[in-house]
Amino acid sequence: EADIYQTPRYLVIGTGKKITLECSQTMGHDKMYWYQQDPGMELHLIHYSYGVNSTEKGDLSSESTVSRIRTEHFPLTLESARPSHTSQYLCASSPRSGGNQPQHFGDGTRLSIL
Amino acid sequence: SQQGEEDPQALSIQEGENATMNCSYKTSINNLQWYRQNSGRGLVHLILIRSNEREKHSGRLRVTLDTSKKSSSLLITASRAADTASYFCAGGNTGFQKLVFGTGTRLLVSP
Repeated sequence: EADIYQTPRYLVIGTGKKITLECSQTMGHDKMYWYQQDPGMELHLIHYSYGVNSTEKGDLSSESTVSRIRTEHFPLTLESARPSHTSQYLCASSPRSGGNQPQHFGDGTRLSIL
Repeated sequence: SQQGEEDPQALSIQEGENATMNCSYKTSINNLQWYRQNSGRGLVHLILIRSNEREKHSGRLRVTLDTSKKSSSLLITASRAADTASYFCAGGNTGFQKLVFGTGTRLLVSP
């Protein structure tokens, strides 16, 4: 069972709206990640965090922003949604220790911007 | 540019048959991980193989790694309909552990 939770699972919303995708994990993991995945395609890292008050941009440029005020919480925000933001967004976490650690994923938020 | 490219892109087999998926990667890695993704869900970690390992087993899964060829394979033996999913390889490095994912193999196992 997942110890990392994403809400909402699905969101259909109009252009120009401000959106926040929530991600929470109960495993006490220091590292957290946001990926963007189009249907049937690979995952692209858009944001990651080493821990509280740490945020970094990933390999794929994104207009979204993230914050990490608490260890367990890593929300992603789009200030003004556009149709090009339509995609699936996956949150993941991993423990701090070492480099050889698997990532734990939430079930994702499927976002559709009309 | 993705780290891994899986081959084949799609694979359709019957229950009981073995399924083999291959992954090639471009840069140096410290470890290579395989994940499964069921439709509409997040990824689930299957197995991790370190760069100094050549083969690893976990239940019905067998993973090989050839760092000289920058390639890995995932073998699922005696497949079941429940194995139907997309399978991704991902290369990891020491330090922060940023994973770079491939394009995935879609596996369909028919009863």
